[in-house]
Amino acid sequence: DAGVIQSPRHEVTEMGQEVTLRCKPISGHDYLFWYRQTMMRGLELLIYFNNNVPIDDSGMPEDRFSAKMPNASFSTLKIQPSEPRDSAVYFCASSPPDRGNGYTFGSGTRLTVV
Amino acid sequence: KQEVTQIPAALSVPEGENLVLNCSFTDSAIYNLQWFRQDPGKGLTSLLLIQSSQREQTSGRLNASLDKSSGRSTLYIAASQPGDSATYLCAVTPGSNYQLIWGAGTKLIIKP
Repeated sequence: DAGVIQSPRHEVTEMGQEVTLRCKPISGHDYLFWYRQTMMRGLELLIYFNNNVPIDDSGMPEDRFSAKMPNASFSTLKIQPSEPRDSAVYFCASSPPDRGNGYTFGSGTRLTVV
Repeated sequence: KQEVTQIPAALSVPEGENLVLNCSFTDSAIYNLQWFRQDPGKGLTSLLLIQSSQREQTSGRLNASLDKSSGRSTLYIAASQPGDSATYLCAVTPGSNYQLIWGAGTKLIIKP
């Protein structure tokens, strides 16, 4: 398996633009997580899905953020409109049904909003 | 509320030394504990996963221990190498849900 695949690796956009981050989890993993990492706040859980259904989105900072998982092999995190304070590294992670097997993280998307 | 603390925040040691990184958590009702490594500008790589019923796990030069009753885990790195330089994070899965609770990490520098 190629692991958790995220795209793009880097994204630079202007304030006010829409940004879409993409994630392909490991096949067979029922859980998918979106995290944000900044120097100030460390790793923050934004939202997680189980079997394509959002379970907890309490970490989504504002209505400007939305996430979808239309099928078991694809998820998106969208920011519209983007703001400079959204600049961070966004990680996607997936986990099998048995949470005892732990998490696998993607390489992340480094987002810069100017 | 579960809180995870890692001490020290940074550590610099000469190559070849054995070292210990510490992780403590406030609620012993955990499902498992995972140690990750993060290189600058990179993603997180899982190093070791310890289930709540286990006492330790080993992988190569790495050994992680878990003492649930005292709320502590240690990551032991034997014969450290410059390539071990990275930030090491521990995270616990609470017994009640699926989310990871993270420590702030220990930044490790191994000097050649």
